[in-house]
Amino acid sequence: AQSVTQLDSHVSVSEGTPVLLRCNYSSSYSPSLFWYVQHPNKGLQLLLKYTSAATLVKGINGFEAEFKKSETSFHLTKPSAHMSDAAEYFCVVSVPYSSASKIIFGSGTRLSIRP
Amino acid sequence: GAVVSQHPSWVICKSGTSVKIECRSLDFQATTMFWYRQFPKQSLMLMATSNEGSKATYEQGVEKDKFLINHASLTLSTLTVTSAHPEDSSFYICSAPLPAGGGGNNEQFFGPGTRLTVL
Repeated sequence: AQSVTQLDSHVSVSEGTPVLLRCNYSSSYSPSLFWYVQHPNKGLQLLLKYTSAATLVKGINGFEAEFKKSETSFHLTKPSAHMSDAAEYFCVVSVPYSSASKIIFGSGTRLSIRP
Repeated sequence: GAVVSQHPSWVICKSGTSVKIECRSLDFQATTMFWYRQFPKQSLMLMATSNEGSKATYEQGVEKDKFLINHASLTLSTLTVTSAHPEDSSFYICSAPLPAGGGGNNEQFFGPGTRLTVL
């Protein structure tokens, strides 16, 4: 069975400090993993994706994530938080479904940035 | 990148009426589309998988007679919320992957969502 667990429902950091949003996955297949961001009342925006190439993935807005198979983790990091990073973040695993792919969302982590 | 649109972006309706939401892939063909529901401060929950040319597949606990899905063409899927009630008020989002071999690497492209409010 496939699943994804976001370990923190809410993370609060000060502006300019590092961000760490944690994600662990479970998959019977070689997974494709994604991080999406959702700002209030907005749609989902892809931050980055891992698809069995480099284990360290760089995304938009300075975010990056490292795929660690031994730890079944795909944590999202950013060296220095900006106020505009305040949003909901979702870790997603993609699994094969017929000829397409079906995705499973984590429960989300709300990131707050303190001035 | 691939673009998915939804229409309308928001809708307010009276209890008991039906509401249709459209999901379109604008620059690619999507034989499969997915419909999600998101309640405030919660994650997206997959409701159903829309299949072009065949019946939709519903997730456990989702009433297929309540949420009618029609995948009319390779670029359009519709979700109709029938006899809507206040508890159906939610943010409805669709997504579509690129076709197999289309280089999408299993990435889903999401529509901007439709906010439904049932009075």
